[in-house]
Parts: sequence; structure tokens; C-alpha cells
Amino acid sequence: KAGVTQTPRYLIKTRGQQVTLSCSPISGHRSVSWYQQTPGQGLQFLFEYFSETQRNKGNFPGRFSGRQFSNSRSEMNVSTLELGDSALYLCASSLGSGMSTDTQYFGPGTRLTVL
Amino acid sequence: AQSVAQPEDQVNVAEGNPLTVKCTYSVSGNPYLFWYVQYPNRGLQFLLKYITGDNLVKGSYGFEAEFNKSQTSFHLKKPSALVSDSALYFCAVRDMTDTGRRALTFGSGTRLQVQP
Repeated sequence: KAGVTQTPRYLIKTRGQQVTLSCSPISGHRSVSWYQQTPGQGLQFLFEYFSETQRNKGNFPGRFSGRQFSNSRSEMNVSTLELGDSALYLCASSLGSGMSTDTQYFGPGTRLTVL
Repeated sequence: AQSVAQPEDQVNVAEGNPLTVKCTYSVSGNPYLFWYVQYPNRGLQFLLKYITGDNLVKGSYGFEAEFNKSQTSFHLKKPSALVSDSALYFCAVRDMTDTGRRALTFGSGTRLQVQP
């Protein structure tokens, strides 16, 4: 079974621009979560989507948004980019059965650099 | 609130020796605990998880972890380290009783360096 895929793998943007990242979950998985990984803050939860609805949200400004499509694929968008948004953005998929025992499986990430 | 602590930034071990990567957690209720490994320029790879039952959990690539409720710890172990085990290891927790929140809370990570 194919794993979680994320596109693009690398992005370079300038301050003030916006960016859209894409994530395709493992087949059959209905939940997609997004995390930001930086050297200073570590791994931080952004949001989770299930059945096209945001189910949980982390403590990030409104510039960070996401959505999920009917095929469970998800996108996240960051508007008005800041230097501090430079990070590895990781997508994780899980069955989304509602059980807290769900294991999240991660994609390879998108490395975003903001200049 | 839930939290995870990985007290060691780096662990060095010789190939063939046993390894331990430490993790302690704090949750309001009972924990679900996970270990992930990250290789350079890669995402996180799931190793193992503790849900309930036996305190010793076996996972991928010969790794195991021991859950200790009284010490609120979930240390990752391997009897014989390989050079290829060198990577960044993350411990994560989810509060079993907080059914509305499925997000994982991660520790800061421990870099494991296995010397030949």
C-alpha cells in the first residue's frame, strides 16, 4: 500500500507571498493532520481534518488554513509568509475511526524556505 | 494539558551494545504512547505504540519500549544497536480520555549516534 505523499518536497518563497501544500493520505485513511517542525519549536500540531471538516486546531495564527477534499486529500495554505514560517511541514494520515488509538503515519514532508 | 520530555539531546552508543532512549510523559488521564524515528530529510516513521496491556511493547526493526506507569516513563530500547539506527527519535503522547483531541504531543527529540 502506498504511503503518505506530499507535494512539493521543496519550496522557496519570499516574505508576503502565499503557499499551498498538498497531502495525499494512505488509501482508506480518512483523517489528515498537519504538523510544523522547526529546530526551535520542534514538532507542533497545526490542524486535523476528517470527512472534509476541521476536527482539531493547534495554536497557530489565522494565516494558516487547510481543507480536505472528498477523496481525503488535504491542502494547507499559508498566507502572507513570514521568515519564521520556514519549516518542514509534515502531513500524517490515520484511519480516523474516532478511536484515540489510531496510529498516525507521516509523509516525507515539504521543506518551505521563506526568504 | 499533556507533555512529553526527552531529557537527552543525544545518546551515543557503540555498535552491538544495548541502547536506551528515555521518555517521560504527563497527561491528565491514561496515556497512549508512541515512538517515531526520523532519518535525514525524511518524515517520521512509526516504530511502536503502547495502548494497554503488557508493559513491554515490541515494534519494528528490533526496537521495544517499556511502559512504567508509576514513573510515567516510556523508554525505547534495543538489545544490540546498529550503525543504521543512527537517527532522530521522537516520543509522543495522546491522552486516552481526551477523545476530542487526536493530535499527538511530541517530545523535543533525541539524536542517537551509533559508532562502528
